[in-house]
Amino acid sequence: LAKTTQPISMDSYEGQEVNITCSHNNIATNDYITWYQQFPSQGPRFIIQGYKTKVTNEVASLFIPADRKSSTLSLPRVSLSDTAVYYCLVGDSLYSSASKIIFGSGTRLSIRP
Amino acid sequence: EAGVTQFPSHSVIEKGQTVTLRCDPISGHDNLYWYRRVMGKEIKFLLHFVKESKQDESGMPNNRFLAERTGGTYSTLKVQPAELEDSGVYFCASSLGQGFHEQYFGPGTRLTVT
Repeated sequence: LAKTTQPISMDSYEGQEVNITCSHNNIATNDYITWYQQFPSQGPRFIIQGYKTKVTNEVASLFIPADRKSSTLSLPRVSLSDTAVYYCLVGDSLYSSASKIIFGSGTRLSIRP
Repeated sequence: EAGVTQFPSHSVIEKGQTVTLRCDPISGHDNLYWYRRVMGKEIKFLLHFVKESKQDESGMPNNRFLAERTGGTYSTLKVQPAELEDSGVYFCASSLGQGFHEQYFGPGTRLTVT
């Protein structure tokens, strides 16, 4: 199992770019990196998934260096509504049993006006 | 398209009573998962259904928990008898593919055992 390490909390201001880094030193060859977002009183919501280099969608970008031992979730121009907990997960996209999905403690992101 | 729904949103019961949680996955999603977060802890996997079959129930804490998915549609999670340590938020998720594919989570059921 690839364990992940991320900062417990981060603070930023509206309009700033926020980068949350996740370490996963034991990532396996077949593992993908997935980020989820969770608002209070809601279930986690899928944000983005990637394997290597860079992935971008309408919500965020995910940067993965060549050694894949870390990844960075980038949120451009955050707003107050981006205040949430962000989870970095690592696992084999196709064959991992769901029981191997580890959410961890996540990063509590607080955005201020 | 409707998302994953869970009922009830909040349940308060006494120790020793029985509670049944319900999850309605997104239509067409064969994979259904139950997770829970107990107070101050991380979200933990409970079990995984593929259609009506239990694919993996390694996360179920003990035999007081019983999950069913008759007909491969909605699922129920029954706790009988409930204990104080069962308090927490129970999430249901569904997905098209297995494994680590994008999962769609419901809002959760907050269970309080007093």
